[in-house]
Amino acid sequence: QKEVEQNSGPLSVPEGAIASLNCTYSDRGSQSFFWYRQYSGKSPELIMSIYSNGDKEDGRFTAQLNKASQYVSLLIRDSQPSDSATYLCAVIVGGGNKLTFGTGTQLKVEL
Amino acid sequence: DVKVTQSSRYLVKRTGEKVFLECVQDMDHENMFWYRQDPGLGLRLIYFSYDVKMKEKGDIPEGYSVSREKKERFSLILESASTNQTSMYLCASRLLDRAAFFGQGTRLTVV
Repeated sequence: QKEVEQNSGPLSVPEGAIASLNCTYSDRGSQSFFWYRQYSGKSPELIMSIYSNGDKEDGRFTAQLNKASQYVSLLIRDSQPSDSATYLCAVIVGGGNKLTFGTGTQLKVEL
Repeated sequence: DVKVTQSSRYLVKRTGEKVFLECVQDMDHENMFWYRQDPGLGLRLIYFSYDVKMKEKGDIPEGYSVSREKKERFSLILESASTNQTSMYLCASRLLDRAAFFGQGTRLTVV
């Protein structure tokens, strides 16, 4: 079982819609979770960090964490064409310092 | 702002050469990471370091070694470059339990 899993997509949504991206992780002891956005040819950039169960909102982005079910999700409201990118879920696994990434979900926001 | 700088943006090396990739961060971060990114495989962890002179193997350490003599600098070494090490290499750093920040990446081609 992979430590962090994401659907590769592509996930296509119309402009203005809500995009929902999901991630599951295998290590029940994980405490720190991150969402990154990566444009083609660029480095990943941090969107959200989340450390406790529940929702965390930042502008059009909401991260949701459910430790009992071992999943973390990212909602993007009012999706824009500029949101078209690959979204990477990352988890600190093993209770230590190892930062592991999922393979990413490609999001396409269509006009 | 956190700055993570990788020594080269593009690099072409010959098979069998010893290759050094350098990464420097300016925020006194404890943890530093080296990943490689290949299409369809996502970000795979090669090595990470949680302190000066301390290192741990990631998921794909074979063919690589690392060095961290100073807190701000983390070097990735390809002892004898092979064509299957052609990839995008990404360095990242972070404070304990916080998000990681990435360098601009080094696209390495081994011919």
